[in-house]
Amino acid sequence: ETGVTQTPRHLVMGMTNKKSLKCEQHLGHNAMYWYKQSAKKPLELMFVYSLEERVENNSVPSRFSPECPNSSHLFLHLHTLQPEDSALYLCASSQDPDRGFDEQYFGPGTRLTVT
Amino acid sequence: AQSVTQLGSHVSVSEGALVLLRCNYSSSVPPYLFWYVQYPNQGLQLLLKYTSAATLVKGINGFEAEFKKSETSFHLTKPSAHMSDAAEYFCAVSSPSGTYKYIFGTGTRLKVLA
Repeated sequence: ETGVTQTPRHLVMGMTNKKSLKCEQHLGHNAMYWYKQSAKKPLELMFVYSLEERVENNSVPSRFSPECPNSSHLFLHLHTLQPEDSALYLCASSQDPDRGFDEQYFGPGTRLTVT
Repeated sequence: AQSVTQLGSHVSVSEGALVLLRCNYSSSVPPYLFWYVQYPNQGLQLLLKYTSAATLVKGINGFEAEFKKSETSFHLTKPSAHMSDAAEYFCAVSSPSGTYKYIFGTGTRLKVLA
């Protein structure tokens, strides 16, 4: 595997379910990110991890819970979601989160549908 | 505070025609600027970035963008569109002052007509 991978690619879940999204980066980067991409809205940064420490949490509802067990893996745990949470969830990584000129490498995303 | 505005959520061009996608930014400090492309069912991929070196930046797939401070613009161009250029394009701004999060525009979907 190369780059940034995400599983599953598609997920349908009920409002009472609990599920997790997984992201893995094979680039040796120090920072990982979760974004939410909804139709007709800008990408929304949800969480940022730097060296496994959460450094950003953009007022995301507590029904989204991130976990970063090491610098290569990032999870997003989901529970009691709402239909408006249906979106494409993108994971990204970069070398150094404090360097504004670093590019971010994105995974293909998980298409989440909440029923 | 920083912001990015992409004019035109949808742009259509004929194959072989000039591609021009507009991006204007607002920043109180010299910005870093990026263009990303997203093909269907894929994540975002970097096309090019401006990091205060040359104002004309060349990227992949024949795209380039010019940083114009006086106009606060960073428009993306390609001389001749190809069918494979059909995708969604995102402009993003970041700050050199230590912040590490991008501000993305709302995206422009490019359609290439045969």
